[in-house]
Amino acid sequence: NAGVTQTPKFQVLKTGQSMTLQCAQDMNHNSMYWYRQDPGMGLRLIYYSASEGTTDKGEVPNGYNVSRLNKREFSLRLESAAPSQTSVYFCASSGGAGIPYYGYTFGSGTRLTVV
Amino acid sequence: QKEVEQNSGPLSVPEGAIASLNCTYSDRGSQSFFWYRQYSGKSPELIMFIYSNGDKEDGRFTAQLNKASQYVSLLIRDSQPSDSATYLCAVAPPSGSARQLTFGSGTQLTVLP
Repeated sequence: NAGVTQTPKFQVLKTGQSMTLQCAQDMNHNSMYWYRQDPGMGLRLIYYSASEGTTDKGEVPNGYNVSRLNKREFSLRLESAAPSQTSVYFCASSGGAGIPYYGYTFGSGTRLTVV
Repeated sequence: QKEVEQNSGPLSVPEGAIASLNCTYSDRGSQSFFWYRQYSGKSPELIMFIYSNGDKEDGRFTAQLNKASQYVSLLIRDSQPSDSATYLCAVAPPSGSARQLTFGSGTQLTVLP
């Protein structure tokens, strides 16, 4: 089925370890996003990519890096994981600037625990 | 700081009742508004979007928008236990190539059988 695919679904890291979360979409969307979701905090934007070749910081970018590898793929990297990065991470994509704007399609999420 | 505020709840309604979920936003220039439903342990799924003042109906769901009051609501008629979930309000900026959404913290709804 068409959509947004995230890997892995679950991950446990030790403090200081690094990892990359992968995201791919097959809907030919221009824009892609990484959010984290914490209890009581809602969804907070980490980084986004308006189009292939561009990336920009969101609300909570510290401790993360991203790569827009091509139009389909947008990865999120934690260079040195900290317990504060324990969260559920969602990737999303959207068609971009058109009217009407249909919002996002979300991936299934990655549940990350840093111990 | 653009903000989207929702009553965190939890909100409980009996089966068959109308559930009313509310959302306010701070950016007066916002033009696109979304309601997502999120079941526990799952990702958000879009259930309604609205652009124009007034009401938009889709089945048992009605979204209401009042731009002058910067207020968006979602009504769920004939609520069912399967509607029990967290409902997220989201707002998009009026323009820009990325159109990134700002989300409220969500309202947890429980429909009691």
